[in-house]
Amino acid sequence: GQSLEQPSEVTAVEGAIVQINCTYQTSGFYGLSWYQQHDGGAPTFLSYNALDGLEETGRFSSFLSRSDSYGYLLLQELQMKDSASYFCAVREGGRRALTFGSGTRLQVQP
Amino acid sequence: ETGVTQSPTHLIKTRGQQVTLRCSSQSGHNTVSWYQQALGQGPQFIFQYYREEENGRGNFPPRFSGLQFPNYSSELNVNALELDDSALYLCASTPGGNTGQYFGPGTRLTVT
Repeated sequence: GQSLEQPSEVTAVEGAIVQINCTYQTSGFYGLSWYQQHDGGAPTFLSYNALDGLEETGRFSSFLSRSDSYGYLLLQELQMKDSASYFCAVREGGRRALTFGSGTRLQVQP
Repeated sequence: ETGVTQSPTHLIKTRGQQVTLRCSSQSGHNTVSWYQQALGQGPQFIFQYYREEENGRGNFPPRFSGLQFPNYSSELNVNALELDDSALYLCASTPGGNTGQYFGPGTRLTVT
């Protein structure tokens, strides 16, 4: 089976940098993804890491260390619109099905 | 906008009834997955279809079933609805070789 752990809530101020951590336990690992979900909305794909290291997409970066079964999402220059839930997810084997963490609720304050 | 659409947006059903939810995938995406998301939780994988065949299933009972059609649209059927089936149901499509999943807006199902 697979399990993922991430903090339930994080609070930060506009313009700041925030890091959301994710640790996972899997029987097979094909990559770590991050999704953003606003209240009442659908999850939106942010990033995917299959190999160790940092992937950067604009203000968002994602990092993976397979040896530590650990990854994080880094959000820079926080904006109010970044207030949302963020989920890490592990891809299960050859299928593209995902196992999601319980999500981290990010509140950005003025 | 992901190009994935779902219908209906909201649905209210009574315990014991049956429901069919529909999903139209983004053009060119041959894999569709269905997820159940309870309030305050992450999405839970129900099953996945690839080229009209079931390609994996999560920990859901047989009363959850699905279909994928030649145009890659999909249905999720739930029989004998229970109160705990109340949730947001999401479908997600994936193009061949891509690593991201593109979610539709979801169907909010309420079972009373």
